[in-house]
Amino acid sequence: DADVTQTPRNRITKTGKRIMLECSQTKGHDRMYWYRQDPGLGLRLIYYSFDVKDINKGEISDGYSVSRQAQAKFSLSLESAIPNQTALYFCATSAASGRSHEQYFGPGTRLTVT
Amino acid sequence: AQKITQTQPGMFVQEKEAVTLDCTYDTSDQSYGLFWYKQPSSGEMIFLIYQGSYDEQNATEGRYSLNFQKARKSANLVISASQLGDSAMYFCAMRETVIKAAGNKLTFGGGTRVLVKP
Repeated sequence: DADVTQTPRNRITKTGKRIMLECSQTKGHDRMYWYRQDPGLGLRLIYYSFDVKDINKGEISDGYSVSRQAQAKFSLSLESAIPNQTALYFCATSAASGRSHEQYFGPGTRLTVT
Repeated sequence: AQKITQTQPGMFVQEKEAVTLDCTYDTSDQSYGLFWYKQPSSGEMIFLIYQGSYDEQNATEGRYSLNFQKARKSANLVISASQLGDSAMYFCAMRETVIKAAGNKLTFGGGTRVLVKP
């Protein structure tokens, strides 16, 4: 089983709808992240969380909110989806210790807002 | 200012040959880490290799090596003996500091698409 899972994998929604993307991990990591990737571009950070009570905005948090329900779960919500939020969304986790603090990515959620 | 720059949007490489993907970065931190990720057409992000700013040796992982030139702020990825399965997007990323306030955040470059020709 994958260490970092995302649901749904694909979603088409309409402008103005509220949508939630979910992320679960079995790696036991404290730190979790949400990124978005636009076509032809690298990933940009939306939100990150050190632990259940510690959530921080990334560089492109406007229009998004998050919830850290448990150490293993980190959800991203689009309160009122708009077409320019059409993108590939990645969840990632990392350990608080270790040499590289490598981030482990989920498979991604492809979101289309019409 | 762009923190990670990948100047090659796309490259062709012949199967079995080596290819170098360029990455330059900008930081004022002394402690930072550099990563390369591979993204095949299926979309997942696959970690390839890591180089710490204080590492004296260039990192190597199988056919991947990282040519780290600290003074020039470059961290080029070298893929030796290219295979058809190496066709993918490749992203360079930087983690600027380990302290809690930075949260191990990664900043990504725009990526380089590699196509391996048989």
